[in-house]
Amino acid sequence: QQQVKQSPQSLIVQKGGISIINCAYENTAFDYFPWYQQFPGKGPALLIAIRPDVSEKKEGRFTISFNKSAKQFSLHIMDSQPGDSATYFCAADKAAGNKLTFGGGTRVLVKP
Amino acid sequence: DTAVSQTPKYLVTQMGNDKSIKCEQNLGHDTMYWYKQDSKKFLKIMFSYNNKELIINETVPNRFSPKSPDKAHLNLHINSLELGDSAVYFCASSQVSSSYEQYFGPGTRLTVT
Repeated sequence: QQQVKQSPQSLIVQKGGISIINCAYENTAFDYFPWYQQFPGKGPALLIAIRPDVSEKKEGRFTISFNKSAKQFSLHIMDSQPGDSATYFCAADKAAGNKLTFGGGTRVLVKP
Repeated sequence: DTAVSQTPKYLVTQMGNDKSIKCEQNLGHDTMYWYKQDSKKFLKIMFSYNNKELIINETVPNRFSPKSPDKAHLNLHINSLELGDSAVYFCASSQVSSSYEQYFGPGTRLTVT
């Protein structure tokens, strides 16, 4: 079963717009929630991460919002740029679990 | 300097063959991983090694055998290749204390014909 559900599967946004990707998880033992960015032909790379004791984390144009009671978290990309076009994965990690559980990915296309 | 490197980048082979993919990391990490990414981009962990010791072995056919000669290397050997093995295989590494922060290699695209 898929422990981390991600939506939408794909997203098209105009340059300057906001991209929003949502994830939901089941396992309350997860205690770290990273987002990875993957460009075509490359490996995923860590973009930003949050712990459940924080409701929001911002790094540049990227913001994670976290709702512990709803077991949901989301990535907002503000002022989206064509260079942001990539596949984004949410993930969840358990303390000392040594195992990242990934969502299904969202392909984001930013049109100029 | 490449942090996590994999060879080869592309691998095309016929069903029934045996092949290996090599991975090396120069980040000084103590944990290494193998992931499989299918055609729908879904990323699934296959194996995880910490200090050369296998700690995660997901439901993977035993035709797949990882081997870690030292902390900096994790190789993947695949016997009797099948069409369904076609995918992109990623190696990654991290410190065990921060396993959420993994560094991925460039991937090996395996095509079985």
